[in-house]
Amino acid sequence: GENVEQHPSTLSVQEGDSAVIKCTYSDSASNYFPWYKQELGKRPQLIIDIRSNVGEKKDQRIAVTLNKTAKHFSLHITETQPEDSAVYFCAATSPGGQNFVFGPGTRLSVLP
Amino acid sequence: EPEVTQTPSHQVTQMGQEVILRCVPISNHLYFYWYRQILGQKVEFLVSFYNNEISEKSEIFDDQFSVERPDGSNFTLKIRSTKLEDSAMYFCASTEYDRDYEQYFGPGTRLTVT
Repeated sequence: GENVEQHPSTLSVQEGDSAVIKCTYSDSASNYFPWYKQELGKRPQLIIDIRSNVGEKKDQRIAVTLNKTAKHFSLHITETQPEDSAVYFCAATSPGGQNFVFGPGTRLSVLP
Repeated sequence: EPEVTQTPSHQVTQMGQEVILRCVPISNHLYFYWYRQILGQKVEFLVSFYNNEISEKSEIFDDQFSVERPDGSNFTLKIRSTKLEDSAMYFCASTEYDRDYEQYFGPGTRLTVT
């Protein structure tokens, strides 16, 4: 089945700097790669997603890149703000495409 | 904006007791999921449900677990005989399409088994 790894597990950046979180997946049949942000005690919320027919997608300060050949995808956050502090989870769809396999998460701290 | 809702927000139960966690998915969604998250760990898939039957389940979802859609709005997860290791946050999610689309998560039910 699908296995998703994520690095780093923790990341501290200064406000205004960029943050990059990287994920790898194992199943070449996965076609959809969402990124969820989870604030302490809250539900995971989608911040950006990408499908396998696209190499890059951007939404304001957030971007995701996908390399299907290498089976890795990355989240880029520019001009970080304290409210970006949270745990970020990457995910890939399972071989059946119905459920998500999540990475272990990255705790991002943006220092003022 | 419509949201997935879950009740209760926190459930405390004794080992061996049955618990039922309730979810109300977004009204026009057809595909429903349960995930769990042990404190400080990643979100793990339990089960997916469509057209009144389970479409996929993980190894975690053993005979102690069951799901049901008893009416047109609720989606429930039952744990028959809880164990200490069942303590976790349980998230319900729903989506309009069957694959490769955003899943909307509920706020979660924190289950504590003592």
